[in-house]
Amino acid sequence: DVVLTQSPLSLPVTLGQPASISCRSSESLVHSDGTTYLSWFQQRPGQSPRRLIHKVSKRDSGVPDRFSGSGSGTDFALTINRVEADDVGIYYCMQGTHWPPYIFGQGTKLEIK
Amino acid sequence: EVQLVQSGGGLVKPGGSLRLSCAASGFSFSHIWMSWLRQAPGKGLEWVGRIRSNTDGGTPEYATLAKGRFTISRDDSQNTLYLQMHSLRTEDTAFYYCITDDDAAYWGQGALVTVSS
Repeated sequence: DVVLTQSPLSLPVTLGQPASISCRSSESLVHSDGTTYLSWFQQRPGQSPRRLIHKVSKRDSGVPDRFSGSGSGTDFALTINRVEADDVGIYYCMQGTHWPPYIFGQGTKLEIK
Repeated sequence: EVQLVQSGGGLVKPGGSLRLSCAASGFSFSHIWMSWLRQAPGKGLEWVGRIRSNTDGGTPEYATLAKGRFTISRDDSQNTLYLQMHSLRTEDTAFYYCITDDDAAYWGQGALVTVSS
C-alpha cells in the first residue's frame, strides 16, 4: 500500500505566524486520469475531520483563504498563513489515487505556543 | 445543506454484533458512493469499506480488517447507509465515520464503538 509520511508530527506555532506541513508519498499520486487525488483535513478536538483542500490545491467551500495546498507527484504541503487560535487541531493528508482508497498520513498536531 | 447523521454506537462484548446507521440529507444519496472509516481513540484514520451507488452496481468493497466480519449496505428509499459488524474484537474499538465517497468531502459526526468485556 501507499504510505503517506507527514512532518512534523507536532507543530507549535505563534499566533499570527505561518505554519507549513509536509506530506510525502511512497508513490506518485498522479492518477491515470491525470488528476492528483491528494486532500488535506482538519480535525479539531472532539470533532470529526473536515476537508480543507482537495486535488492538491482546491480549497473547499467556507475554508478561509489562509489555507493553501501545493505540490505534485510525491511531495505536498499545506500552508496556513497567520495561524489563529481556531486552527488548533490535527491535520491529515489523504490520498485517493491508489487502492485501497483513503490512505491517511499519521497526522500533525498543531498547537499554539 | 449536506448532513450525515450517525446512530447505533455503543458498548458490546467481544464476539458480539452491532449495526451502525448513517442518515443522509441535502444531496442525491442514491447517486453517491459511500464509505466507512474508523479511528481508534488517539490514533489515525483507517478505511473500512465502501459501497457503490445502485446505478453503478451497488456492490461493496472491504478493507482486509473488515472482510468476512463487516457488511456494508444501503437503503436508498430511506437515504441511509449501514455498517453491520459481527465477531467484534477489542481492537475494533474506535469512532466509526460515514463519509461521501468523493474524496471524503462530507463526514458524519462519528459513532463510538467500544468492544470490551
